[in-house]
Amino acid sequence: DAKTTQPTSMDCAEGRAANLPCNHSTISGNEYVYWYRQIHSQGPQYIIHGLKNNETNEMASLIITEDRKSSTLILPHATLRDTAVYYCIVRVANAGGTSYGKLTFGQGTILTVHP
Amino acid sequence: KAGVTQTPRYLIKTRGQQVTLSCSPISGHRSVSWYQQTPGQGLQFLFEYFSETQRNKGNFPGRFSGRQFSNSRSEMNVSTLELGDSALYLCASSLSSAPYNEQFFGPGTRLTVL
Repeated sequence: DAKTTQPTSMDCAEGRAANLPCNHSTISGNEYVYWYRQIHSQGPQYIIHGLKNNETNEMASLIITEDRKSSTLILPHATLRDTAVYYCIVRVANAGGTSYGKLTFGQGTILTVHP
Repeated sequence: KAGVTQTPRYLIKTRGQQVTLSCSPISGHRSVSWYQQTPGQGLQFLFEYFSETQRNKGNFPGRFSGRQFSNSRSEMNVSTLELGDSALYLCASSLSSAPYNEQFFGPGTRLTVL
C-alpha cells in the first residue's frame, strides 16, 4: 500500500470547517483513499473513502486532487466532539494476497477543536 | 443494525497465561480483521478471516492465532502472554474483503498483562 503523510497536529475553532490534508504521492491507480478517526481509547470510526472522484456523506467531504497524489478531508462545521486522531489510509483496490482485510495505519493527525 | 461487539471489554492476565478474545461482526458481514494497538507501535494488522478461512496475516509471532465460525463470529487467542502483549485489541468487520467495502471497528478489548 502507498505511504501517506499527514501533519502531526491541527487546531480548529468550533463551528469552522476543519480541512485535514494527506499526501499520498506514490498512490497507484487502483488504490482507495480511506479516512478513519479515533477518539481516545475507542475503536476507529469510519468516515469516508474514495477512489478518484470527490465524495460527500453526512459526516464529511473528501476532496482528491486530479493527479490523486493528495487529498483533503473536510469536516464542514467542526464541533468539540470532532476532537480525535484522524487517519488517512491508502488501500489497494484489487483484493488479494497480502491486501485482504488489511488497513495500514500511520500516526495520523491529532485534530483539536476548541471553543 | 447493531455494531461490532467485542467481549470482554477489559481483561487482566499474568505472564505465561493464555487469553481468548471474541468478536461478533455486524449482521451480514463475512470478513473479520483483527488489530493490535499499543502506544509504541500504533495500530497494527494481525489477521483477517473470511468464510472461516484466514486469508491474510500480519507480522506477529505464532502465539497469536484466530479462527472464524460459520456465523462469522471470530475469536483470537494469545498464548504464553508477555508483558508486551498489553494492548487494545480491535476487531473490524466488513461485507467482504474487497477494498471498496469499508471496515467497521468494535470498541476493543483492553488487555493488561502483569
